[in-house]
Amino acid sequence: DVKVTQSSRYLVKRTGEKVFLECVQDMDHENMFWYRQDPGLGLRLIYFSYDVKMKEKGDIPEGYSVSREKKERFSLILESASTNQTSMYLCASSLKWYGYTFGSGTRLTVV
Amino acid sequence: DQQVKQNSPSLSVQEGRISILNCDYTNSMFDYFLWYKKYPAEGPTFLISISSIKDKNEDGRFTVFLNKSAKHLSLHIVPSQPGDSAVYFCAASTGRGSGGGADGLTFGKGTHLIIQP
Repeated sequence: DVKVTQSSRYLVKRTGEKVFLECVQDMDHENMFWYRQDPGLGLRLIYFSYDVKMKEKGDIPEGYSVSREKKERFSLILESASTNQTSMYLCASSLKWYGYTFGSGTRLTVV
Repeated sequence: DQQVKQNSPSLSVQEGRISILNCDYTNSMFDYFLWYKKYPAEGPTFLISISSIKDKNEDGRFTVFLNKSAKHLSLHIVPSQPGDSAVYFCAASTGRGSGGGADGLTFGKGTHLIIQP
C-alpha cells in the first residue's frame, strides 16, 4: 500500500513565524499535492508538483510556497504565518493524474 | 467560480436504506470523476470513480452514476451502514496527466452523511 506521511498531526504556531509542513511518500509517485480543508469550503488545491524541482500553483497559492528537492518529499512553506492560514492541510500523491493517496493531515493553528 | 458543486452540506439516512449523494459540475472538460470518503482527523480515502465514457460504475454497495448531458453525478450506497457516516467529497479532473503532469483534482465542498440506527 502507498503510504503518504505528514510529519505532524497537530501544530500550533505564532503569527509571523515561518512554518514548514513536510510530506513524504514511499511509492515513487511522480505527482504530489497540497490541499487545505476548511469547513464549508471543502478541499482547495494550494500547489502541486509533477516532478522533482517542478511546481505549479493551484487555486489558492497566496501566502504559500513549496519545495520538491527529492521525488519522495514535498514541503509546504508558510513564509509568514497568519491566522487565516489556520486549517487542516492535506498532502496527496499519485502515479498518474488519478489514484490520489492522501496523508492523514496536519491541523495547523496560528495564534 | 465553483466548478464542482455538492449542494447538500448534510444528509441523514436510516440504516439499511439507500443513501444518494449528488454532485454537479460546470466544466465540460472534466472527464474523470471520483468520490472520496473522509472521517474526522483522517485524510480522504478513495471510494469509487467513473470515466466520462461510462454512465455507471459499481463496486459492492457503492454505485456511481454519471449523466454527462446534465453534468451531474450521484453516488448510491445500498444498504447504508453506520460505518458509512462520514464526509463524502466529489472530485473531477480534466485528465491531463502522463508527461504533462497532473493538474490536480477539483473537489466539491463535501456532504456529511449521517446514518441513523
